[in-house]
Amino acid sequence: DIVMTQSPDSLAVSLGERATINCKSSQSILHSSNRKNYLAWHQQKPGQPPKLLIYWASSRESDVPDRFSGSGSGTDFTLTISSLQAEDVAVYYCQQYYTTPHTFGQGTKLEI
Amino acid sequence: QLQLQESGPGLVKASETLSLTCTVSGGSIGSSSYCWGWVRQPPGKGLEWIGSIHYSGSTYYKPSLRGRVTLSVDTSKNQFSLKLSSVTAADTAVYYCVRHAPGRGTYSPGVLEYWGQGTLVTVSS
Repeated sequence: DIVMTQSPDSLAVSLGERATINCKSSQSILHSSNRKNYLAWHQQKPGQPPKLLIYWASSRESDVPDRFSGSGSGTDFTLTISSLQAEDVAVYYCQQYYTTPHTFGQGTKLEI
Repeated sequence: QLQLQESGPGLVKASETLSLTCTVSGGSIGSSSYCWGWVRQPPGKGLEWIGSIHYSGSTYYKPSLRGRVTLSVDTSKNQFSLKLSSVTAADTAVYYCVRHAPGRGTYSPGVLEYWGQGTLVTVSS
């Protein structure tokens, strides 16, 4: 199985400041033929199901604010929130879908 | 707008079989390249992918659960189902049904696009 490791486990950021969450995969999830990274970020707010934020490592879902951005390639990836808003309090999970079993990082809890 | 809704018993006795159904609305299970699957989350813990199925019958299971998990699709009811046998307390979790975008291979699961609201299943002794 591909192991996904996130850092940090928890993070406290002031409103309006930048938040950065890292994710590392145990093997490359970059597909050589299409040059796509099979990496997604999901946001889970308290008491809610997860929600897809970013796929292909850097493509935002249509309803996701542009303060959210994803970057990275191969085995190292980053989710950045450029200016933290109160509604961004959540647990964030990275997930690889390069191969089954699909695997998630352990989650990063983001607080104000 | 695609919607997924889980249903099934909220309490299952240890050693018995957990059975859940996901009803899909706003889209058809049997007319696309999408895979449909299940993810679970033990209370206070992270997410675990269980498995996925395409209406053609292609199935993908988490290896550690293989042998206990069965996924099926009922295109006439626009539903898909999960059965998990010989449950223990470790299977207590919120179970989410999900839809994947198409993956790398034919009828394989890609990114998790849609999530149901989830249903809590508790295994009692």
